Amino acid sequence: DVKVTQSSRYLVKRTGEKVFLECVQDMDHENMFWYRQDPGLGLRLIYFSYDVKMKEKGDIPEGYSVSREKKERFSLILESASTNQTSMYLCASSRSWRRDTEAFFGQGTRLTVV
Amino acid sequence: AQTVTQSQPEMSVQEAETVTLSCTYDTSESDYYLFWYKQPPSRQMILVIRQEAYKQQNATENRFSVNFQKAAKSFSLKISDSQLGDAAMYFCALRGSQGNLIFGKGTKLSVKP
Repeated sequence: DVKVTQSSRYLVKRTGEKVFLECVQDMDHENMFWYRQDPGLGLRLIYFSYDVKMKEKGDIPEGYSVSREKKERFSLILESASTNQTSMYLCASSRSWRRDTEAFFGQGTRLTVV
Repeated sequence: AQTVTQSQPEMSVQEAETVTLSCTYDTSESDYYLFWYKQPPSRQMILVIRQEAYKQQNATENRFSVNFQKAAKSFSLKISDSQLGDAAMYFCALRGSQGNLIFGKGTKLSVKP
């Protein structure tokens, strides 16, 4: 089975801190994604990556950056955390860019910025 | 722009009954895939069912089936013989040529015993 692992289920950080959310997948998937999930807003794409060192902005990239130095790992970085970044963050991966390929998700990191 | 709309924020169904969750979408592409994902309280997103736009036959996975109306851009999910374990958030998603999944806002399904 594909496994997508996010480093933390719950995280509390202070305003202004630099925050790293880590995601690792074990199936040699090409594509990786970071979504943000908020009640009533569904999942919104922050960034995605289709190869090592490659990244593309999603719908809401402001305030975030990403890093993909190795194929299996995709990190989301909050350069200076703010309270409006309190949210659930979901990482996903898929085998290829083909339309029919399933995306596999991690269990999410619930981040609270105080 | 591609969009996915789920107009029912919450739905409720009696155990063993049937419920239908609605989803409409908009895309200018002719070749795309549609998905329904389930997110139970554990937060683990699970693929329920997928449908290719070029296939006229509606997809079915055990108690889950879809009603795909391409001209109307509608993709509803029918859950038959509802079980307590079906209680979850359900998300409709579209995947086109860009490769990323575009999600609706979700429908929270409650199952009453």
